Formats: sequence, C-alpha cells, structure tokens
Amino acid sequence: SQQGEEDPQALSIQEGENATMNCSYKTSINNLQWYRQNSGRGLVHLILIRSNEREKHSGRLRVTLDTSKKSSSLLITASRAADTASYFCATPTNFGNEKLTFGTGTRLTIIP
Amino acid sequence: GAGVSQSPRYKVAKRGQDVALRCDPISGHVSLFWYQQALGQGPEFLTYFQNEAQLDKSGLPSDRFFAERPEGSVSTLKIQRTQQEDSAVYLCASSVYGETEQYFGPGTRLTVT
Repeated sequence: SQQGEEDPQALSIQEGENATMNCSYKTSINNLQWYRQNSGRGLVHLILIRSNEREKHSGRLRVTLDTSKKSSSLLITASRAADTASYFCATPTNFGNEKLTFGTGTRLTIIP
Repeated sequence: GAGVSQSPRYKVAKRGQDVALRCDPISGHVSLFWYQQALGQGPEFLTYFQNEAQLDKSGLPSDRFFAERPEGSVSTLKIQRTQQEDSAVYLCASSVYGETEQYFGPGTRLTVT
C-alpha cells in the first residue's frame, strides 16, 4: 500500500517558473527521500532529509519537512524542460534502512 | 556500466506462461530490492535481499511470485502462471548496506495478454 500522497497529481508550468509539490505520509519516519522518474526509466534519488532537519537544499532543489504535520514539500526553482518527470516521495519502512514506501507521485510538465 | 541493469526491458507473455526477470545490481551492493509499479502509481515493495538471504518477502502478491539471489549478486524474479493483473513495471534497486539511498534499474515492463 502507498505510504502517502503527493499533491498535486499533475502540474504544468512554464520554463523558468518554480514548481512546488507536496507529500503527506502516515507513520513516524527517520528520513524522507525524493526521487525523480523520467518516462519509461527507473527512479533517480534526488535528496534525503532526516527527521531532525526542517529544510535542505541541493542545487535548484529545496526540501522541507514538517514531522508534526507528517508532510514534506519539494521546490524546484528556475525550472527547465529537462525537469519534466514524475516525482515521488519515499520513506523507509520499519524505521530502518530497508524497503521504501512511495507516494503516488506528481507528474510535472515544463512547457518550453 | 556502473548502474543497476535489468533484462529484458520489455516482456510480453501470454496468460499462464512463466516469466523470469533478471537484475544485475551495482557491484558490491549488499542490499537488493524488487518493486512493482502499476501504471500511474508509485512503486510498491515486493521483496528484499541482504547478500543471498531473502530477509523480507512480505510484498510478494501471491505464491506465484518467487525471487532468488543465490550468490549474493544477480537476482531473478520469477512469476509463474502469469495473470493479466501481473502487468506492470518491475523495478530492481540496490544499495550499500546501512545506507538508505537506493539505486534503481530501468525496470522491466511486463505485459500479460
């Protein structure tokens, strides 16, 4: 079963704009990860945020985590056509470094 | 290559046939995972290996699904008597023991007709 949900399910923006997508999860976690999946390809790890962190940056990516609300957001700034993909949040199950439980994903389309 | 590879990339099976999907993890990665991804959904966990030991198979949907990793490197996911509901992309991932980041292969798209 899915751990949580991403919101929105789909998002289309103009190139150069910022894209924000949200993730909600259900159980306590020790970290949350974001992955990108291009059409017909595997997932690529983008960024990990630990439960004791509130915000983390990596290049054009900014992730926030609110453990009290069991939610996270991913912000992509200055979007590019190559950012077109599906984005998933994922949390390790059983508080360990084992299987990941994924959300339902946000399909992001960047319009050139 | 240095990444996770999977074969075949595409497989069409007639209902009732057996299929075998192969995963070559990144060399030295102790942990190996299989996930099933239905169209428009996120991946869902199937099974997990640490070296050759299958430590968790709680996600396998039925006893028609079987996975092995006999020498602790290459893994095979076998589906017997395939059904239409088995149609999905099967993803393999590997990771360094103790690290939570997983490295995914491109997946095998299985279509059961």
